[in-house]
Amino acid sequence: DAGVIQSPRHEVTEMGQEVTLRCKPISGHDYLFWYRQTMMRGLELLIYFNNNVPIDDSGMPEDRFSAKMPNASFSTLKIQPSEPRDSAVYFCASSLTPLSQPQHFGDGTRLSIL
Amino acid sequence: AQSVTQLGSHVSVSEGALVLLRCNYSSSVPPYLFWYVQYPNQGLQLLLKYTTGATLVKGINGFEAEFKKSETSFHLTKPSAHMSDAAEYFCAVSGNAGNMLTFGGGTRLMVKP
Repeated sequence: DAGVIQSPRHEVTEMGQEVTLRCKPISGHDYLFWYRQTMMRGLELLIYFNNNVPIDDSGMPEDRFSAKMPNASFSTLKIQPSEPRDSAVYFCASSLTPLSQPQHFGDGTRLSIL
Repeated sequence: AQSVTQLGSHVSVSEGALVLLRCNYSSSVPPYLFWYVQYPNQGLQLLLKYTTGATLVKGINGFEAEFKKSETSFHLTKPSAHMSDAAEYFCAVSGNAGNMLTFGGGTRLMVKP
């Protein structure tokens, strides 16, 4: 079975540009998570969805960040406008209920804002 | 609130030596505990998990971990390190609503030939 699929794998763009990261969760999974990983802050949960509904977005750093899940097989994380401090690896993960189920991670998007 | 502490951000062992990566957690509810491994330029992969039952859990690649409630620990071990084990390892705890995981800061394992 296909795992969590993220695109693009690498993104380099200039400050001020809009960035859109994409994620396709594992089919049948009802939870979807967006994380950010940096050397300084480690792995941070940004937002998560349950059955396509955002449940907790308290980790979203600023209003420049937004996430959507229009259907069970697709989610986006958007940064507008982007800043150099947004440079990081962004991971998407999905899981099944209940809590004992592990999260399955994509390979991430390495984002560089110049 | 839950938290996870991984002692030692970097651990170095010789090939063939015992691997011990430490993880302590705090949780107000019975925890579910996970170890993940991250190889360079990849996402996190599940190594093993503890939910209920037997406290000694075996995972992939010869790793195992023991849940010790009295010590609030879930240390990861492997009897004999291999060069391919060099990676970053994350301990995580779940137990709150929402399938949220709380991750430790990670331990980078280096294996010397």
